[in-house]
Amino acid sequence: EVQLVESGGGLVKPGGSVRLSCEASGFTFSSFWMNWVRQAPGRGLEWVANIKQDGNEKYYVDSVEGRFTISRDNAKTSMYLQMNSLRAEDTAVYYCARSRGSLPHNFDSWGQGTLVTVSS
Amino acid sequence: DIQMTQSPSSLSASVGDRVTITCRASQSISSYLNWYQQTPGKAPKLLIYAVSTLESGVPSRFSGSGSGTDFTLTISSLQPEDFATYYCQQSYSTPLLTFGGGTKVEMK
Repeated sequence: EVQLVESGGGLVKPGGSVRLSCEASGFTFSSFWMNWVRQAPGRGLEWVANIKQDGNEKYYVDSVEGRFTISRDNAKTSMYLQMNSLRAEDTAVYYCARSRGSLPHNFDSWGQGTLVTVSS
Repeated sequence: DIQMTQSPSSLSASVGDRVTITCRASQSISSYLNWYQQTPGKAPKLLIYAVSTLESGVPSRFSGSGSGTDFTLTISSLQPEDFATYYCQQSYSTPLLTFGGGTKVEMK
């Protein structure tokens, strides 16, 4: 069974940093693109970033470019999101999601999410 | 950037109703369109990919259609478990991906 488990969320001050983790199991982690998708309270879904199977390609939504860094460790079947210079508008549930195929087209498995709250 | 616009943003329906949700892209996205269902407090679930292919385990009352810029999700006979929020998502610009704003299906 595919499992994705996020951790690392919490309350962070504006301008602060936090590192999210996503631990994967039940599938060959190194064979899939991985993504972070977020959802602000009461709002819709927003794709944040993704990373290729070998970690050599990374892409970001414009609003986080230069502040967030996605990475992965295939040996640990884990993905990470380093979030710096946090703003109130980054407050959201952050989901880890898997994409099938040689390019990411959709999100076929999701974690339960971890809440990041940016507030003083 | 490709923008995805869903309509309506919410709708009220009864069990057994036929429900249609529309998603429009700001430019042609060919057939790179997916649909998700999200119930409160839960992660989204992939329902349909590539416009009309049902994900494994998704009931056949769900269907998708369209191409280019205009797409539709149809629930042929709404069931109690279908009251949820539905999102479209384009992957024409992969690896850069975008969602529509969502459509909440509420009980009338």
